[in-house]
Amino acid sequence: GNSVTQMEGPVTLSEEAFLTINCTYTATGYPSLFWYVQYPGEGLQLLLKATKADDKGSNKGFEATYRKETTSFHLEKGSVQVSDSAVYFCALSDGGNQFYFGTGTSLTVIP
Amino acid sequence: DAGVTQSPTHLIKTRGQHVTLRCSPISGHKSVSWYQQVLGQGPQFIFQYYEKEERGRGNFPDRFSARQFPNYSSELNVNALLLGDSALYLCASSLASGTTYEQYFGPGTRLTVT
Repeated sequence: GNSVTQMEGPVTLSEEAFLTINCTYTATGYPSLFWYVQYPGEGLQLLLKATKADDKGSNKGFEATYRKETTSFHLEKGSVQVSDSAVYFCALSDGGNQFYFGTGTSLTVIP
Repeated sequence: DAGVTQSPTHLIKTRGQHVTLRCSPISGHKSVSWYQQVLGQGPQFIFQYYEKEERGRGNFPDRFSARQFPNYSSELNVNALLLGDSALYLCASSLASGTTYEQYFGPGTRLTVT
């Protein structure tokens, strides 16, 4: 079946530090991969996505590369800001009608 | 433009009761999906509806049901509530069925069952 495993949090970083949140997946076929972000009191927002192997998704300084050989889609940002504090979810879709989400990783950035 | 709206924001119910949650999609979106997010977990897929028809169903008991109306709004119904149904219920809308289309999530309804 389909599943996503995310690095457990919470993660606390100082402003301008480098961020990596690990995500690995199990899927049949060729899934699409996503990162969603959930700010306090708000709904999930799509941060970036990649639809095939070796694709790199990027947005707002965040990047993730679809690695089929390691079944991974790690989220990275070179220099985090306080405003990046949120919960980050890795997700996959097998082309059907549902997303499969990881458990989420809480990030707190301190000034 | 208004985003996805959900009502109510918060709800407290007793075990055995019934609850109805409501969702209004973004204007022009014809598909609505429902997710359950238990505290500390990721969202779990419950249903997807498109053009008033069920297009997908997750691994939830028959106590959970939903429908979509001609204006594309949707209701999620849960019967015989259990303590384990306490969660944040998220609605997401998209232009059409399938995950090819970006899903836009509402802020959710927080359900507490006592």
